[in-house]
Amino acid sequence: AQSVTQLGSHVSVSEGALVLLRCNYSSSVPPYLFWYVQYPNQGLQLLLKYTTGATLVKGINGFEAEFKKSETSFHLTKPSAHMSDAAEYFCAVSDLSDEKLTFGTGTRLTIIP
Amino acid sequence: GAVVSQHPSWVICKSGTSVKIECRSLDFQATTMFWYRQFPKQSLMLMATSNEGSKATYEQGVEKDKFLINHASLTLSTLTVTSAHPEDSSFYICSALRDRGNEQYFGPGTRLTVT
Repeated sequence: AQSVTQLGSHVSVSEGALVLLRCNYSSSVPPYLFWYVQYPNQGLQLLLKYTTGATLVKGINGFEAEFKKSETSFHLTKPSAHMSDAAEYFCAVSDLSDEKLTFGTGTRLTIIP
Repeated sequence: GAVVSQHPSWVICKSGTSVKIECRSLDFQATTMFWYRQFPKQSLMLMATSNEGSKATYEQGVEKDKFLINHASLTLSTLTVTSAHPEDSSFYICSALRDRGNEQYFGPGTRLTVT
């Protein structure tokens, strides 16, 4: 069974400051890891994903995440927050066997002007 | 990019009626589609996996007779909420998988309100 834990249901950062959203996972097989963003009343948009290879993954909108197997973590970062980054962010894990995604509970990111 | 649409985007229905939600992959053929349910300020919960031409696989605790899923073609899956009740009010999101090992592309969601 797989699970995802997102520490902090709400995170607030000042515009221009570093964004750090935490995600830890558990999986019995090598995981595929994802970060999605959801704007109000919309579906999910993929920010980035890790499958194999380089552990530092760069995504859209200046976000990146690093897969750390020893820490079972896949934290999302962005060097400088923008007002448009305000949204709900979901970390997810899957494996190749059934393609199902297991989502974390989400982190609402607020940007302070 | 891959685009997935849902129709309707929102619907209000009376208790006891049935509602059909469509999920379409617009520019690719989807071998598999997934249906999720999201309660306010909560995460997405997988309801069922839908494969074209075969019966859907439901997650534990999801009533298959209440949430009817039909995947009639490689570009269309439908979710019918039968005999809807107020507790079925939720945000329903579908996703489509183009190929195995590829990412899921999500629809914009359908907000269902049952009065």
